[in-house]
Amino acid sequence: NAGVMQNPRHLVRRRGQEARLRCSPMKGHSHVYWYRQLPEEGLKFMVYLQKENIIDESGMPKERFSAEFPKEGPSILRIQQVVRGDSAAYFCASSRGVNEKLFFGSGTQLSVL
Amino acid sequence: AQSVTQLGSHVSVSEGALVLLRCNYSSSVPPYLFWYVQYPNQGLQLLLKYTSAATLVKGINGFEAEFKKSETSFHLTKPSAHMSDAAEYFCAVSDPGGSNTGKLIFGQGTTLQVKP
Repeated sequence: NAGVMQNPRHLVRRRGQEARLRCSPMKGHSHVYWYRQLPEEGLKFMVYLQKENIIDESGMPKERFSAEFPKEGPSILRIQQVVRGDSAAYFCASSRGVNEKLFFGSGTQLSVL
Repeated sequence: AQSVTQLGSHVSVSEGALVLLRCNYSSSVPPYLFWYVQYPNQGLQLLLKYTSAATLVKGINGFEAEFKKSETSFHLTKPSAHMSDAAEYFCAVSDPGGSNTGKLIFGQGTTLQVKP
């Protein structure tokens, strides 16, 4: 059973470009969480999704950031018009249910030039 | 609001020595508490969790943590460090009331260095 898969591992973008980060949850998991880790800081919750629904986006910046988890395919975290401050490691986690064990992916390191 | 503070961003111990990583939390309701470990270039792995059962929680790889409500602490210990324990460790607390243990508030992390 493959773990949580994130791709790409590293993503380099220039200011103003779009970044798309993908997360395939573990098999049988329908709950997905995105976290962001800025340098020298802990992980910060961004958004919680279930299939086709955003349940909690209280940690998402109000502009430029969006997330989806379609019926088929991976969850996508999309950042439009990236700025240097978006440079961070973005982690995805999945679980089978709301109070079930969380499994993390290896993260995507986004670098904005 | 809930918060988690990990005292010491870097801890260095000798192989075979006691490991003690400190975590204090603030919460108005009894929280769920977690310790995660992150090895280089890998995702976080759950070491152990406290969910209001026994106050001394045993985890994987010989780690354990004790929930002390009076001190609002959840320190992580291991009697004898091994070289393979070198990693970054994160303490985390769940959303108030434990309604969703996937939505976590993390501490800043502590990097554990183990010297031969």
